[in-house]
Amino acid sequence: GAVVSQHPSRVICKSGTSVKIECRSLDFQATTMFWYRQFPKQSLMLMATSNEGSKATYEQGVEKDKFLINHASLTLSTLTVTSAHPEDSSFYICSARGSGIETQYFGPGTRLLVL
Amino acid sequence: GENVEQHPSTLSVQEGDSAVIKCTYSDSASNYFPWYKQELGKGPQLIIDIRSNVGEKKDQRIAVTLNKTAKHFSLHITETQPEDSAVYFCAAVDSNYQLIWGAGTKLIIKP
Repeated sequence: GAVVSQHPSRVICKSGTSVKIECRSLDFQATTMFWYRQFPKQSLMLMATSNEGSKATYEQGVEKDKFLINHASLTLSTLTVTSAHPEDSSFYICSARGSGIETQYFGPGTRLLVL
Repeated sequence: GENVEQHPSTLSVQEGDSAVIKCTYSDSASNYFPWYKQELGKGPQLIIDIRSNVGEKKDQRIAVTLNKTAKHFSLHITETQPEDSAVYFCAAVDSNYQLIWGAGTKLIIKP
């Protein structure tokens, strides 16, 4: 099956710093990538959708200046949490989908802890 | 928009028994329904999916059934094993290709 990787798997940072999370599709071209956030014991919450070479589309309530998304190639998307605060601590998961395909394949997730 | 409901929220079964998780959806235009398994601290893993032109699909111990008229679909796991313990999510893909998630079912396999 299609493989999606995420790096880092876990990150701890100080309040006010920025953190970048990478999402890569390893064996297919991901024309669309998604970024999710998941709180404990809850379902995944879609933050934004990005198409390669285009600006990301953010869901209502998600600050685009705080969560910067770049999808510069068909295999890489990055999420940068700018000026992170403790309330940004969460599990961030990316997924990727190929052109004309409904199936989303998920990365292993990144646990962010902001102190 | 699409809305997906999932039941039960927690399911405890004896090892070797079968487990059934049910979902309903609201948008009759949805035509793709994946199921994901999520283990603690990991991302969701696609375990089976079904498209609306098919009523049932099997993959070893896992099967999914779809009733388009009633707008519900179910996941069936037979001969459950300890490694089946996880949270299972159903989803429907809407007309914008977005996944609309169910709330999840925590499956506990008792030894």
